[in-house]
Amino acid sequence: AQSVSQHNHHVILSEAASLELGCNYSYGGTVNLFWYVQYPGQHLQLLLKYFSGDPLVKGIKGFEAEFIKSKFSFNLRKPSVQWSDTAEYFCAPYTGFQKLVFGTGTRLLVSP
Amino acid sequence: NAGVTQTPKFQVLKTGQSMTLQCAQDMNHNSMYWYRQDPGMGLRLIYYSASEGTTDKGEVPNGYNVSRLNKREFSLRLESAAPSQTSVYFCASTGGSGANVLTFGAGSRLTVL
Repeated sequence: AQSVSQHNHHVILSEAASLELGCNYSYGGTVNLFWYVQYPGQHLQLLLKYFSGDPLVKGIKGFEAEFIKSKFSFNLRKPSVQWSDTAEYFCAPYTGFQKLVFGTGTRLLVSP
Repeated sequence: NAGVTQTPKFQVLKTGQSMTLQCAQDMNHNSMYWYRQDPGMGLRLIYYSASEGTTDKGEVPNGYNVSRLNKREFSLRLESAAPSQTSVYFCASTGGSGANVLTFGAGSRLTVL
């Protein structure tokens, strides 16, 4: 069965630090990849997505992610985080069958 | 355009009680989903409905039932609530031009005593 692994459960950064959150999935076929974000007290919303084409995708608020097929990875990056980026981030591969599988999430705390 | 609407937002139940979480979307989406979110476990799929008239089990279906009442509505029922079902429940939908991109409801926080 397909699965997804997020390596960092909690990350604490100072403002202006760079961010990279790891995500690996296990599925050998065509895959669509997503990162969702949940700000405190809010529901999940789409941060960015990869369907095909350029493996480096850009999302909202300066986030980007790189799809590396050979490594089954889709890591999330941001060059300079802000306090408002404090949230929980979920990686989610879609492998068909109408189901999206979510990772366990990474809680990011950005201190001002 | 309301998107995905869930009710109730909060609910406290006693063990053994039953309740239904309601979900409705106004985006003409084909697929609808129920997830539960627990600390350190991410979102786990309970049930989903790929289209009107069909429902399928997800990762954690035990103790739940669902009904896809029509294209807009997808309800989740707990027949006999247990403390292990204390969680935050999210309904989501997808379909149309944004295929596979989920739109989530605001969530329903359920506590079972």
